[in-house]
Amino acid sequence: AQTVTQSQPEMSVQEAETVTLSCTYDTSESDYYLFWYKQPPSRQMILVIRQEAYKQQNATENRFSVNFQKAAKSFSLKISDSQLGDAAMYFCAYRRSSGGYQKVTFGTGTKLQVIP
Amino acid sequence: NAGVTQTPKFQVLKTGQSMTLQCAQDMNHEYMSWYRQDPGMGLRLIHYSVGAGITDQGEVPNGYNVSRSTTEDFPLRLLSAAPSQTSVYFCASSPATKHEKLFFGSGTQLSVL
Repeated sequence: AQTVTQSQPEMSVQEAETVTLSCTYDTSESDYYLFWYKQPPSRQMILVIRQEAYKQQNATENRFSVNFQKAAKSFSLKISDSQLGDAAMYFCAYRRSSGGYQKVTFGTGTKLQVIP
Repeated sequence: NAGVTQTPKFQVLKTGQSMTLQCAQDMNHEYMSWYRQDPGMGLRLIHYSVGAGITDQGEVPNGYNVSRSTTEDFPLRLLSAAPSQTSVYFCASSPATKHEKLFFGSGTQLSVL
């Protein structure tokens, strides 16, 4: 079974600074997808960024970028120029791409605090 | 465009009571699923469905029941509520296309006393 590990339960960053959230995963698959979801206090789940495993190029979305290391099974999220609105719980997620229903497995989350 | 509609937003139950959490989506998605979110444990899959009439168990199915009579609706039933079922519940849907994100409902905060 696939597992997703987020080893940082909480992180903090100064406003306008950069922070990196870590995620590692375990899989025997070669083709899969990785996601970062944001959950603000409103409880809404928002997709931040996604990465296809077959793509070597790291995904970017405005101030959000990832460092995808397939061999190391690592998928970290970098937030640049942190804003107060970035304060939230962040979940790393894995979705396999083969064989029937592609179940999504989530990590335990990292709570990000942004300090003014 | 409503997306995924989940009701109720909050619910308090007594141990032993039963209830149904409702979930409906208007995007014609094949896949629908229920997750529970607990502190320090992330989101865990309870049950999922790949189409009308087809359901299967996830990681933590005990104490829950589902059915999918239509593409749009995927209710989650708590048969006899227990304090261990106190949690935040999310319904999510997605098209069968594998790279698609999950579309989430707004969640239900359930407390079982």
